[in-house]
Amino acid sequence: ETGVTQTPRHLVMGMTNKKSLKCEQHLGHNAMYWYKQSAKKPLELMFVYNFKEQTENNSVPSRFSPECPNSSHLFLHLHTLQPEDSALYLCASSQSSLRLAGYTDTQYFGPGTRLTVL
Amino acid sequence: AQKITQTQPGMFVQEKEAVTLDCTYDTSDPSYGLFWYKQPSSGEMIFLIYQGSYDQQNATEGRYSLNFQKARKSANLVISASQLGDSAMYFCAMREPSYSGGGADGLTFGKGTHLIIQP
Repeated sequence: ETGVTQTPRHLVMGMTNKKSLKCEQHLGHNAMYWYKQSAKKPLELMFVYNFKEQTENNSVPSRFSPECPNSSHLFLHLHTLQPEDSALYLCASSQSSLRLAGYTDTQYFGPGTRLTVL
Repeated sequence: AQKITQTQPGMFVQEKEAVTLDCTYDTSDPSYGLFWYKQPSSGEMIFLIYQGSYDQQNATEGRYSLNFQKARKSANLVISASQLGDSAMYFCAMREPSYSGGGADGLTFGKGTHLIIQP
């Protein structure tokens, strides 16, 4: 496997279900990100993890719970979602460095998980 | 106020022609990075090109170039000799420095331009 992978690619769940999205990066990066892409809206940053520590939570509802057990893996745990949470969820990673400015760091994305909440 | 503005929701271009996708940005920070991504119908965001705010020259990557006009806060993507495979959504994005430390910051995206290349 190369780059950034995401599983599953498609997920349909009911509002009472609990499911998890998985992201894995094979690039040796230190930072990982979750983004949400809804129809007709720009991509929205959800969470940022840098060196396994969460550094940003962009006011995301608690029904979304991220987990980063190591720098290569990122999970998004889902529970009691709403139909408006249906979207494409994209994971990304970047090299990151505590010594370099973050704005120069390129993020590489996975293929996304298309989530439908019934 | 929007930080990234892409004014062209959709564009039709003939194959082999050059195409310019517009992007303007808004920031008061002197340090920032500008990125362009391509998103085919499959959904994956593919990195195309990067321009740093302190870079003196416009970035180029193969058929892609970034027309960076700092005073106008403009970062247009130019695709030379367009191909059918260039049909996709194109997103302009910006990163500003995080002063909370750590060096990892999210991207702010524009709404995108849907480019269709016609044979």
